[in-house]
Amino acid sequence: EPEVTQTPSHQVTQMGQEVILRCVPISNHLYFYWYRQILGQKVEFLVSFYNNEISEKSEIFDDQFSVERPDGSNFTLKIRSTKLEDSAMYFCAREAGQGNTGELFFGEGSRLTVL
Amino acid sequence: DAKTTQPNSMESNEEEPVHLPCNHSTISGTDYIHWYRQLPSQGPEYVIHGLTSNVNNRMASLAIAEDRKSSTLILHRATLRDAAVYYCILRGSNQFYFGTGTSLTVIP
Repeated sequence: EPEVTQTPSHQVTQMGQEVILRCVPISNHLYFYWYRQILGQKVEFLVSFYNNEISEKSEIFDDQFSVERPDGSNFTLKIRSTKLEDSAMYFCAREAGQGNTGELFFGEGSRLTVL
Repeated sequence: DAKTTQPNSMESNEEEPVHLPCNHSTISGTDYIHWYRQLPSQGPEYVIHGLTSNVNNRMASLAIAEDRKSSTLILHRATLRDAAVYYCILRGSNQFYFGTGTSLTVIP
């Protein structure tokens, strides 16, 4: 079963700029997730999204972050005003099935570099 | 988030079996035990998961202790392509947190 597709693969931005990262999962799945991984560190949970609403979010996911699924297909992560410490790989993931206890399929990630 | 403990690193010779341990003494009755791996410069990849019984799939086997406080991921014949960081994760509903994992080195 295919995983998710993430765009862009790499984005370079200036500090303070807005960034939108996109994820295209299979449209009939309900559970989606965003994770990030700062270079050399562990994979960190950001937010889970179920049926077009945030289900759970971590302390990292502050007011600078938002998620939405505007067209029923694309799943986006927006960072309103990027900081240097936002530089990381961002991974989107979806549930394999319709529930929320099975395996996750991850995308290849979007590398964000904030200058 | 439920905690797991794994060795930071392990080595294995190519074509030999590898047993990757994980301790999860605070596991609750409804937590599933998941294993993922992350190859260099890639996203995490699902390996296997289980609840109480041992599980086998094309990638690996998962041996779960009777009290569920520990588990072991078994790669039957390690290849160079198995060199990765392996994560043991407890999953209850939407909670899915990665630890630091075990970095597996496969020696040719």
